[in-house]
Amino acid sequence: QKEVEQNSGPLSVPEGAIASLNCTYSDRGSQSFFWYRQYSGKSPELIMFIYSNGDKEDGRFTAQLNKASQYVSLLIRDSQPSDSATYLCAVKGEKLTFGTGTRLTIIP
Amino acid sequence: GAGVSQTPSNKVTEKGKYVELRCDPISGHTALYWYRQSLGQGPEFLIYFQGTGAADDSGLPNDRFFAVRPEGSVSTLKIQRTERGDSAVYLCASSLTGPPGGGNYEQYFGPGTRLTVT
Repeated sequence: QKEVEQNSGPLSVPEGAIASLNCTYSDRGSQSFFWYRQYSGKSPELIMFIYSNGDKEDGRFTAQLNKASQYVSLLIRDSQPSDSATYLCAVKGEKLTFGTGTRLTIIP
Repeated sequence: GAGVSQTPSNKVTEKGKYVELRCDPISGHTALYWYRQSLGQGPEFLIYFQGTGAADDSGLPNDRFFAVRPEGSVSTLKIQRTERGDSAVYLCASSLTGPPGGGNYEQYFGPGTRLTVT
Protein backbone atom coordinates (compact mmCIF):
# COMPACT_ATOMS: atom_id res chain seq x y z
CA GLN A 1 0.00 0.00 0.00
CA LYS A 2 1.31 3.42 -0.95
CA GLU A 3 1.79 5.82 1.94
CA VAL A 4 -0.19 8.58 0.23
CA GLU A 5 -2.71 7.70 -2.44
CA GLN A 6 -4.43 9.92 -4.95
CA ASN A 7 -6.51 9.19 -8.01
CA SER A 8 -4.19 10.10 -10.90
CA GLY A 9 -7.07 11.35 -13.01
CA PRO A 10 -7.39 13.12 -15.28
CA LEU A 11 -10.34 14.77 -13.60
CA SER A 12 -12.38 17.00 -15.90
CA VAL A 13 -14.67 19.63 -14.40
CA PRO A 14 -16.74 22.30 -16.20
CA GLU A 15 -15.79 25.90 -15.57
CA GLY A 16 -17.69 27.31 -12.61
CA ALA A 17 -18.34 23.91 -11.01
CA ILE A 18 -16.79 22.47 -7.85
CA ALA A 19 -13.69 20.31 -8.25
CA SER A 20 -13.18 17.69 -5.55
CA LEU A 21 -9.75 16.13 -5.05
CA ASN A 22 -9.20 13.28 -2.64
CA CYS A 23 -6.25 11.77 -0.81
CA THR A 24 -5.83 8.92 1.65
CA TYR A 25 -2.79 8.15 3.78
CA SER A 26 -1.57 5.14 5.70
CA ASP A 27 0.39 6.59 8.64
CA ARG A 28 -2.00 7.25 11.53
CA GLY A 29 0.68 9.32 13.24
CA SER A 30 0.66 11.91 10.46
CA GLN A 31 0.35 15.39 11.84
CA SER A 32 0.13 17.88 9.02
CA PHE A 33 -1.40 17.84 5.57
CA PHE A 34 -0.67 19.95 2.54
CA TRP A 35 -2.01 20.56 -0.94
CA TYR A 36 0.34 21.72 -3.67
CA ARG A 37 -0.55 22.83 -7.17
CA GLN A 38 1.92 22.03 -9.94
CA TYR A 39 1.62 23.43 -13.43
CA SER A 40 3.29 21.49 -16.21
CA GLY A 41 7.03 22.10 -16.21
CA LYS A 42 6.90 24.11 -12.98
CA SER A 43 7.66 23.34 -9.35
CA PRO A 44 4.98 22.62 -6.71
CA GLU A 45 3.26 25.66 -5.20
CA LEU A 46 1.77 25.43 -1.70
CA ILE A 47 -1.91 26.37 -1.76
CA MET A 48 -3.38 24.93 1.45
CA PHE A 49 -2.32 23.30 4.68
CA ILE A 50 -4.44 21.82 7.45
CA TYR A 51 -3.45 20.45 10.83
CA SER A 52 -6.77 19.80 12.61
CA ASN A 53 -9.85 17.75 11.81
CA GLY A 54 -12.57 19.64 9.98
CA ASP A 55 -12.65 22.20 7.24
CA LYS A 56 -10.32 25.07 6.44
CA GLU A 57 -11.34 27.65 3.87
CA ASP A 58 -9.14 30.07 1.96
CA GLY A 59 -10.87 31.92 -0.85
CA ARG A 60 -12.17 29.42 -3.39
CA PHE A 61 -10.26 26.57 -1.73
CA THR A 62 -11.45 24.37 1.14
CA ALA A 63 -9.32 21.65 2.68
CA GLN A 64 -11.08 18.92 4.65
CA LEU A 65 -9.36 16.56 7.07
CA ASN A 66 -10.71 13.42 8.72
CA LYS A 67 -7.94 11.76 10.72
CA ALA A 68 -10.16 8.87 11.83
CA SER A 69 -10.72 7.92 8.20
CA GLN A 70 -7.17 8.95 7.19
CA TYR A 71 -8.62 11.10 4.48
CA VAL A 72 -7.93 14.63 3.28
CA SER A 73 -9.61 16.45 0.44
CA LEU A 74 -9.43 19.70 -1.47
CA LEU A 75 -12.48 21.45 -2.88
CA ILE A 76 -12.14 24.18 -5.48
CA ARG A 77 -15.26 26.28 -5.90
CA ASP A 78 -16.10 28.26 -9.04
CA SER A 79 -13.40 26.40 -10.98
CA GLN A 80 -11.45 28.46 -13.48
CA PRO A 81 -9.38 27.33 -16.48
CA SER A 82 -6.32 28.62 -14.61
CA ASP A 83 -6.98 25.93 -11.98
CA SER A 84 -6.01 23.28 -14.53
CA ALA A 85 -2.90 21.65 -13.07
CA THR A 86 -1.72 18.62 -11.13
CA TYR A 87 -2.64 18.73 -7.45
CA LEU A 88 -0.28 17.00 -5.05
CA CYS A 89 -1.33 15.83 -1.62
CA ALA A 90 1.50 15.76 0.93
CA VAL A 91 1.41 14.25 4.40
CA LYS A 92 3.89 14.86 7.19
CA GLY A 93 4.77 11.94 9.38
CA GLU A 94 8.49 11.73 10.11
CA LYS A 95 9.00 13.43 6.76
CA LEU A 96 6.84 14.93 4.06
CA THR A 97 5.51 12.25 1.72
CA PHE A 98 3.80 13.15 -1.53
CA GLY A 99 1.16 11.37 -3.53
CA THR A 100 1.57 11.01 -7.27
CA GLY A 101 -0.88 13.84 -7.90
CA THR A 102 -4.26 14.25 -9.58
CA ARG A 103 -4.35 15.97 -12.95
CA LEU A 104 -7.27 18.42 -13.04
CA THR A 105 -8.62 19.93 -16.24
CA ILE A 106 -11.21 22.72 -16.13
CA ILE A 107 -13.29 22.75 -19.28
CA PRO A 108 -14.37 26.23 -20.45
CA GLY B 1 10.65 38.67 -0.68
CA ALA B 2 12.85 36.38 -2.68
CA GLY B 3 11.84 32.77 -2.92
CA VAL B 4 13.95 29.64 -3.09
CA SER B 5 16.42 29.77 -5.96
CA GLN B 6 18.19 26.88 -7.65
CA THR B 7 21.02 26.74 -10.13
CA PRO B 8 21.48 25.64 -12.78
CA SER B 9 17.95 25.38 -14.17
CA ASN B 10 19.08 22.68 -16.58
CA LYS B 11 22.10 20.41 -16.53
CA VAL B 12 23.06 17.88 -19.17
CA THR B 13 25.94 15.59 -18.30
CA GLU B 14 27.47 12.39 -19.55
CA LYS B 15 27.15 9.12 -17.70
CA GLY B 16 29.91 8.77 -15.15
CA LYS B 17 30.46 12.48 -14.62
CA TYR B 18 30.14 14.44 -11.36
CA VAL B 19 27.52 17.16 -10.90
CA GLU B 20 26.69 19.75 -8.28
CA LEU B 21 23.28 21.33 -7.87
CA ARG B 22 22.86 24.46 -5.77
CA CYS B 23 19.98 25.70 -3.64
CA ASP B 24 19.57 29.08 -1.96
CA PRO B 25 16.66 28.95 0.51
CA ILE B 26 14.34 31.71 1.63
CA SER B 27 16.18 34.03 3.99
CA GLY B 28 15.60 33.07 7.61
CA HIS B 29 14.41 29.55 6.84
CA THR B 30 16.34 27.12 9.01
CA ALA B 31 15.12 23.93 7.37
CA LEU B 32 16.11 22.89 3.85
CA TYR B 33 14.99 19.84 1.89
CA TRP B 34 16.03 18.13 -1.31
CA TYR B 35 13.58 16.12 -3.40
CA ARG B 36 13.74 14.34 -6.72
CA GLN B 37 10.77 14.24 -9.08
CA SER B 38 10.41 11.94 -12.04
CA LEU B 39 7.78 12.38 -14.73
CA GLY B 40 4.29 11.53 -13.50
CA GLN B 41 5.41 11.10 -9.91
CA GLY B 42 5.27 13.23 -6.81
CA PRO B 43 8.45 14.63 -5.29
CA GLU B 44 10.53 11.96 -3.55
CA PHE B 45 12.32 12.97 -0.36
CA LEU B 46 16.12 12.80 -0.41
CA ILE B 47 17.56 14.71 2.55
CA TYR B 48 16.61 17.31 5.15
CA PHE B 49 18.89 19.86 6.85
CA GLN B 50 18.18 21.66 10.08
CA GLY B 51 20.78 24.41 10.14
CA THR B 52 24.11 23.01 9.02
CA GLY B 53 23.48 19.38 9.88
CA ALA B 54 21.73 16.69 7.88
CA ALA B 55 18.91 15.72 10.22
CA ASP B 56 17.54 13.02 7.94
CA ASP B 57 19.34 11.60 4.91
CA SER B 58 17.28 8.42 4.69
CA GLY B 59 16.05 9.27 1.19
CA LEU B 60 19.44 9.38 -0.48
CA PRO B 61 19.36 6.42 -2.88
CA ASN B 62 23.00 5.38 -2.51
CA ASP B 63 26.45 6.64 -1.60
CA ARG B 64 26.86 8.43 -4.92
CA PHE B 65 24.58 11.14 -3.55
CA PHE B 66 25.79 13.61 -0.96
CA ALA B 67 24.63 17.03 0.20
CA VAL B 68 26.12 19.79 2.32
CA ARG B 69 24.99 23.01 3.90
CA PRO B 70 28.17 24.33 5.51
CA GLU B 71 26.91 27.71 6.74
CA GLY B 72 23.29 26.84 7.32
CA SER B 73 22.03 28.67 4.26
CA VAL B 74 23.02 27.59 0.73
CA SER B 75 23.08 23.87 0.09
CA THR B 76 24.75 21.81 -2.60
CA LEU B 77 23.59 18.38 -3.74
CA LYS B 78 26.47 16.39 -5.20
CA ILE B 79 26.10 13.34 -7.42
CA GLN B 80 29.14 11.24 -8.29
CA ARG B 81 29.44 8.82 -11.24
CA THR B 82 26.07 9.85 -12.61
CA GLU B 83 23.84 7.21 -14.17
CA ARG B 84 21.03 7.61 -16.69
CA GLY B 85 18.57 6.68 -13.94
CA ASP B 86 19.57 9.84 -12.07
CA SER B 87 17.81 11.92 -14.73
CA ALA B 88 15.00 13.82 -13.02
CA VAL B 89 14.05 17.23 -11.73
CA TYR B 90 15.81 17.95 -8.44
CA LEU B 91 13.75 20.20 -6.23
CA CYS B 92 14.85 22.14 -3.19
CA ALA B 93 12.44 23.45 -0.57
CA SER B 94 12.79 25.42 2.64
CA SER B 95 10.64 26.03 5.68
CA LEU B 96 10.83 28.37 8.62
CA THR B 97 11.28 25.47 11.01
CA GLY B 98 11.43 21.76 10.57
CA PRO B 99 10.26 18.56 12.24
CA PRO B 100 9.60 17.43 14.88
CA GLY B 101 8.03 20.75 15.89
CA GLY B 102 4.64 21.64 14.56
CA GLY B 103 3.66 24.90 12.90
CA ASN B 104 5.71 26.89 10.41
CA TYR B 105 6.50 23.64 8.70
CA GLU B 106 5.09 24.72 5.37
CA GLN B 107 7.64 24.03 2.66
CA TYR B 108 8.21 26.33 -0.28
CA PHE B 109 9.83 24.96 -3.41
CA GLY B 110 12.40 26.39 -5.75
CA PRO B 111 12.04 26.13 -9.54
CA GLY B 112 14.10 22.94 -9.69
CA THR B 113 17.09 21.75 -11.68
CA ARG B 114 16.36 19.44 -14.57
CA LEU B 115 19.21 16.93 -14.72
CA THR B 116 19.68 14.85 -17.86
CA VAL B 117 22.32 12.14 -17.91
CA THR B 118 23.18 10.97 -21.43
